[in-house]
Amino acid sequence: EVQLVESGGGLVQPGGSLRLSCAASGITFSSYWMSWVRQAPGKGLEWVANIKRDGSEQYYVDSVKGRFTISRDNAKNSLYLQMNSLRAEDTSVYYCARGLQLDFWGQGILVTVSS
Amino acid sequence: DIQMTQSPSSLSASVGDRVTITCRASQGIENDLGWYQQKPGKAPKRLIYAASSLQSGVPSRFSGSGSGTEFTLTISSLQPEDFATYYCLQHNNYRLLTFGGGTKVEIK
Repeated sequence: EVQLVESGGGLVQPGGSLRLSCAASGITFSSYWMSWVRQAPGKGLEWVANIKRDGSEQYYVDSVKGRFTISRDNAKNSLYLQMNSLRAEDTSVYYCARGLQLDFWGQGILVTVSS
Repeated sequence: DIQMTQSPSSLSASVGDRVTITCRASQGIENDLGWYQQKPGKAPKRLIYAASSLQSGVPSRFSGSGSGTEFTLTISSLQPEDFATYYCLQHNNYRLLTFGGGTKVEIK
């Protein structure tokens, strides 16, 4: 059974940092591109970033470029999102999702940026 | 950037109705489009991939069509469990994936 489990969310002050993790099981993790997608409260879905199978390419939505870093550890079947210089508008549920086509999603983790 | 314009943003329908949701891409994306269903408090679930292929386990009342710039999701006979928000996603430009704005399907 495919499982993607996010962790590391919580409350952080504006300007602060947070690192999200996504633990994958039931898949050959190293065979897939992986993505992060977010959803602000009451809003639609927004793709944030993705990373190639071997980690050699990463792409980001403009609003997080220079602040967020996506990475992966294929030996640990894990995906990460390092979030720096957080803003109130980054408050969202963050999902990890499999592949370029986002065919399977984790349950999501809430990140709240507030003083 | 490829913009995805989804319509309508919401609709009211009754059980048994036929429902159609449309996504228009700002440029041609071949058939690199998926449709997702999201229920409150839950992660999205993919229903359709490659514009018209039904995801395994998804009821056959869901169907997708289109290619290029215009795409449609159809629910042939709306069921109570189908009341949810639906999104399209283009992955033709894999360096910048973009979603449609969503369509909330509500009970009339």
